[in-house]
Amino acid sequence: KAGVTQTPRYLIKTRGQQVTLSCSPISGHRSVSWYQQTPGQGLQFLFEYFSETQRNKGNFPGRFSGRQFSNSRSEMNVSTLELGDSALYLCASTIDPRDEQFFGPGTRLTVL
Amino acid sequence: GQQVMQIPQYQHVQEGEDFTTYCNSSTTLSNIQWYKQRPGGHPVFLIQLVKSGEVKKQKRLTFQFGEAKKNSSLHITATQTTDVGTYFCAVSSNDYKLSFGAGTTVTVRA
Repeated sequence: KAGVTQTPRYLIKTRGQQVTLSCSPISGHRSVSWYQQTPGQGLQFLFEYFSETQRNKGNFPGRFSGRQFSNSRSEMNVSTLELGDSALYLCASTIDPRDEQFFGPGTRLTVL
Repeated sequence: GQQVMQIPQYQHVQEGEDFTTYCNSSTTLSNIQWYKQRPGGHPVFLIQLVKSGEVKKQKRLTFQFGEAKKNSSLHITATQTTDVGTYFCAVSSNDYKLSFGAGTTVTVRA
């Protein structure tokens, strides 16, 4: 069974731009969560989607948004990029978010 | 959400030695998960503990959930270079959120 895939793997943007990251979950997994990982803050929960509905959102500004499509694929968008948004963005899929989560390889975003 | 504190933040281990990393909470946890992230990689699920006092073993790794379900530990015996990485504990909640500890980064001296 194919794992979680994320595109693109690397991205360089400048301040003020916006970015869209994509995540394809494992087949059959309807729950997709997004995390931001930085050396200073560790792994921070962004949001979780299930059947196209956002069920929870972490403490991030409104510039961070996401959505999920009917095939469970998910995207997250960051608008008006700031230098501090440079991070590894990880998505994870699961059948039940209270159980084991399967992480993708991440998208490394660098904001210049 | 539920918060967990992980200690130590860094662990430098001589190859062949044992070490333990701890995860502590001020509140009772419904369950706890452990993940390992290799340098340059992504977190990989290791185990989930649910029951009070539960102990689970995976080869040289021993995971324990405290009797009060407020703490957990991961003990690695006879450390190998393949054990290098960051070990995270994480707590799931009924609001579909997984909260991670800060992690213990392990380096191994050959």
